[in-house]
Amino acid sequence: EAQVTQNPRYLITVTGKKLTVTCSQNMNHEYMSWYRQDPGLGLRQIYYSMNVEVTDKGDVPEGYKVSRKEKRNFPLILESPSPNQTSLYFCASSLRGISTGELFFGEGSRLTVL
Amino acid sequence: DAKTTQPNSMESNEEEPVHLPCNHSTISGTDYIHWYRQLPSQGPEYVIHGLTSNVNNRMASLAIAEDRKSSTLILHRATLRDAAVYYCILRDVPNAGKSTFGDGTTLTVKP
Repeated sequence: EAQVTQNPRYLITVTGKKLTVTCSQNMNHEYMSWYRQDPGLGLRQIYYSMNVEVTDKGDVPEGYKVSRKEKRNFPLILESPSPNQTSLYFCASSLRGISTGELFFGEGSRLTVL
Repeated sequence: DAKTTQPNSMESNEEEPVHLPCNHSTISGTDYIHWYRQLPSQGPEYVIHGLTSNVNNRMASLAIAEDRKSSTLILHRATLRDAAVYYCILRDVPNAGKSTFGDGTTLTVKP
């Protein structure tokens, strides 16, 4: 089944403890992206990747890192999480990063930073 | 980046058509209009997209104004399963990698 898989789905952590949210897609998509969703602010893009080894900042990249070493994986790294990074995170992928591309989203990862 | 404006919420009765509006007055000539929806506790899912002409697919229809400054997503017969948040976004050719979703329209479907 074609899908975007995120792990963990739920996580409670403490300020400053590094964590990684993984994202994997099995559709051989070139494009991948991370979003955070907060009440009243919609979905905001954190980082995106047009292809392997190519990443770019979205609208809210501060406090996050990403890497794209393989086509299928696009992990989101929080080096020193803070409470304002408590949010619902979504990973998405698309065949290519073009204006007509359909985005496929994962089920989301709910992160709480205490 | 061109922005979109949608009503916060709309209501519909089951089995009736629903017209969800979106304003994008600063749209550029190369912006594609995309619609996604997010069911409760799920990630967004693609609904439809278009550039200038009206578009139809199995889920919905997209009507685009002649001046492209607004568009309307049409659900021909709303079902309870269509209750969701609907997002209208623009994706342009030079910056196709970037995409931002606003707050969308929360659609409530009444039985």
